[in-house]
Amino acid sequence: GAGVSQSPSNKVTEKGKDVELRCDPISGHTALYWYRQSLGQGLEFLIYFQGNSAPDKSGLPSDRFSAERTGGSVSTLTIQRTQQEDSAVYLCASSPDRAPYSPLHFGNGTRLTVT
Amino acid sequence: AQKVTQAQTEISVVEKEDVTLDCVYETRDTTYYLFWYKQPPSGELVFLIRRNSFDEQNEISGRYSWNFQKSTSSFNFTITASQVVDSAVYFCALSEAAGNKLTFGGGTRVLVKP
Repeated sequence: GAGVSQSPSNKVTEKGKDVELRCDPISGHTALYWYRQSLGQGLEFLIYFQGNSAPDKSGLPSDRFSAERTGGSVSTLTIQRTQQEDSAVYLCASSPDRAPYSPLHFGNGTRLTVT
Repeated sequence: AQKVTQAQTEISVVEKEDVTLDCVYETRDTTYYLFWYKQPPSGELVFLIRRNSFDEQNEISGRYSWNFQKSTSSFNFTITASQVVDSAVYFCALSEAAGNKLTFGGGTRVLVKP
């Protein structure tokens, strides 16, 4: 069966440009997460969507970061006016329900490089 | 606030040696879940195991075993008779029952040399 799909797999952008990263979760999974993994670092929580509830945006590092999830399925993470410190791998994960009860299924990530 | 610490950043072993990865966590909740994930060079994180805070039984799955001790807030992971395919970054993670997120440790890179 299909896993979590992320696109693009790699993105190189110039400082100051906006970027959009896409995540297509596993069908039927109600919970969707975005994490960021900087080079050699652990995973940093960004945002969490659960069904039709308001998202938990507590991990977004600045107001340049935003995310939406349309129709309870596909999600887009947008980074405006990119900075070099935004360079990282952005990972999307989904689960059938809330994380405390279910393991997360991760995509392969989008490697973002800001030049 | 929840926190996970993996003090070992990198471990290098020779094939067939055993390797133990340490994980120490902090939480104020009495109900929580602990996880281990493997991230091979390909990059995709793979779920290995989940334990809840009320189940301190150690678990063995093939060459993998886990030692959960609430008294020391630790959830250590041992690979027995390591193989080259075990080379990866291993992450320990914690989720509180009332929370919305999985908090990861910094990861331990395991390099198994032939």
